[in-house]
Amino acid sequence: EVQLLESGGGLVQPGGSLRLSCVGSGFIISYYAMSWVRQAPGKGLEWVSAISSSGDRKYYADSVKGRFTVSRDNSKNTLYLQMNSLRAEDTAVYYCAIVRWTSYYFEYWGQGTLVTVAS
Amino acid sequence: QTVVTQEPSFSVSPGGTVTLTCALTSGSVSPSSYPSWYQQTPGQAPRTLIYNTNTRSSGVPDRFSGSILGNKAALTITGAQADDESDYYCVLYMGSGISVFGGGTKLTVL
Repeated sequence: EVQLLESGGGLVQPGGSLRLSCVGSGFIISYYAMSWVRQAPGKGLEWVSAISSSGDRKYYADSVKGRFTVSRDNSKNTLYLQMNSLRAEDTAVYYCAIVRWTSYYFEYWGQGTLVTVAS
Repeated sequence: QTVVTQEPSFSVSPGGTVTLTCALTSGSVSPSSYPSWYQQTPGQAPRTLIYNTNTRSSGVPDRFSGSILGNKAALTITGAQADDESDYYCVLYMGSGISVFGGGTKLTVL
């Protein structure tokens, strides 16, 4: 069974940093592109970032470009999101997802981790 | 900046049929946008329903179907059930690795 487990969320002050992790099980992460999607409280889903299976291609939403960095360690079956210069509007549940780039959709989702940016 | 739009809310009677749509503020949705649809209930992760315009994800009942209607992507639920009451999101692929979510449609079954 494919499972994705996010961790690393929490409370951080504006301007601070946080690193999220997403550990996959039941599949070999190196075969798949991966993505981060977030959802602010009471709001809709927002695509944040994507990374190719090998990690050589990375893509970002304009809202996080220059502040967030996506990476992966395929030897650990783990995806990361380094978030710097955090703002109140980055407060959200962050989901990781397996991306099928053959049809550009999100196939499997984790349960999410909550990031709260507040003083 | 191109935005993806969905109806904010919709209502359907049990057993009825409803079609939710997904449009671009600039241009038409086509199969090359690879429309996909996701269902989400409060406090839960999204569930993948439809991808590549009209392909159902594994385990999704055939009362969910996807299509292109005119210049929009569409999700049709035939024979709506109470547990279909959820938020529904479409996603369009914009090229260069970038995907954009619609604002979501809150579906009420009553």
